[in-house]
Amino acid sequence: AQTVTQSQPEMSVQEAETVTLSCTYDTSENNYYLFWYKQPPSRQMILVIRQEAYKQQNATENRFSVNFQKAAKSFSLKISDSQLGDTAMYFCAFTPKVTFGTGTKLQVIP
Amino acid sequence: DTAVSQTPKYLVTQMGNDKSIKCEQNLGHDTMYWYKQDSKKFLKIMFSYNNKELIINETVPNRFSPKSPDKAHLNLHINSLELGDSAVYFCASSRPLAGGDTGELFFGEGSRLTVL
Repeated sequence: AQTVTQSQPEMSVQEAETVTLSCTYDTSENNYYLFWYKQPPSRQMILVIRQEAYKQQNATENRFSVNFQKAAKSFSLKISDSQLGDTAMYFCAFTPKVTFGTGTKLQVIP
Repeated sequence: DTAVSQTPKYLVTQMGNDKSIKCEQNLGHDTMYWYKQDSKKFLKIMFSYNNKELIINETVPNRFSPKSPDKAHLNLHINSLELGDSAVYFCASSRPLAGGDTGELFFGEGSRLTVL
């Protein structure tokens, strides 16, 4: 069975600071992708970043980067230079059977 | 052009009624999903169809019946609505995890169902 654990239900960060959201997972699959999705108050689910499990290099998208530790089955999201628009729920997920974590509510404080 | 569209966006109804939510995707994806997001924001997969064939059917009451007339459409019909059915229902689509595709989900905007 696939499981995803996000151990931080809520976090806050000052604008322009850096924050890291944690995610651990468990799977018996060898080929999979990991994702972070963002859900702002508008409720739309938006892909933030993706990581291929067989790539050692950590993915980066502008201010967003991941720390992928395959052996530890850990996939954390780092947000640099936090902006007010980053306030949202963040969900960790992975394929092939897309399973989501319980989410982390991030509040960016002005 | 919206890639994954759901209708209606909001639905308020009485207990015991029957309602449907429609979903269409114009991305050419083979796989479509229904997810339920409860009041605590937990996203739980309900169903998945691949090319009109049911491939995932999680523990969901029989009152929920998905229908896929073609691979671009996946509708959700709910009979005898209960208070606990109140939630946001998301439709999504993806390509299979193969041939360089990531299996990434593309979501609709969600349909908020309120049962009174």
